[in-house]
Amino acid sequence: DQQVKQNSPSLSVQEGRISILNCDYTNSMFDYFLWYKKYPAEGPTFLISISSIKDKNEDGRFTVFLNKSAKHLSLHIVPSQPGDSAVYFCAASARGDYKLSFGAGTTVTVRA
Amino acid sequence: AAGVIQSPRHLIKEKRETATLKCYPIPRHDTVYWYQQGPGQDPQFLISFYEKMQSDKGSIPDRFSAQQFSDYHSELNMSSLELGDSALYFCASSQGQGGDSPLHFGNGTRLTVT
Repeated sequence: DQQVKQNSPSLSVQEGRISILNCDYTNSMFDYFLWYKKYPAEGPTFLISISSIKDKNEDGRFTVFLNKSAKHLSLHIVPSQPGDSAVYFCAASARGDYKLSFGAGTTVTVRA
Repeated sequence: AAGVIQSPRHLIKEKRETATLKCYPIPRHDTVYWYQQGPGQDPQFLISFYEKMQSDKGSIPDRFSAQQFSDYHSELNMSSLELGDSALYFCASSQGQGGDSPLHFGNGTRLTVT
């Protein structure tokens, strides 16, 4: 049962524009959410996280928004750069748990 | 900065053979996680250790076992390998237990079973 869902398998965006990646979850026990970026032949790299007590967290070009009532989070990348082309995974965990549940990933392609 | 080190990067084994994957966490990280990523799939949690004790278990086959040693490195032992075990195996580490510390992943071991 997929508890974290990324319904868009791919996203293409022009360099300099905003990339918006979406993620939905079903487990109401999740209270910590993360985004990872993955290049081919490398492990996922941690990008940004947000806990359920917040609705927004910003780190440079990356902002994560959390809508707990809708069980939805999104990652905004502004401005998008060619080096942002990668697979982005949304992940979630419940406090006190030790494992992450991952979404299927969204492949982002930033066009020059 | 030091990252999670996994060895080997690539491993080719035959059916019914045994494989051992190693993971060296980031210094001062006391929690280690193992994930399996099949072709075209998202990473699936296998097992985790906190302070050398198993802390959680996911969809890990009985043919697999793992442990965390006194220096916090971890090894995933896989026996009676099957073709379906071919996958990318990621190790991750974090500081502390619980769900509020980001996991940092290694570059994975690609296991091919022929």
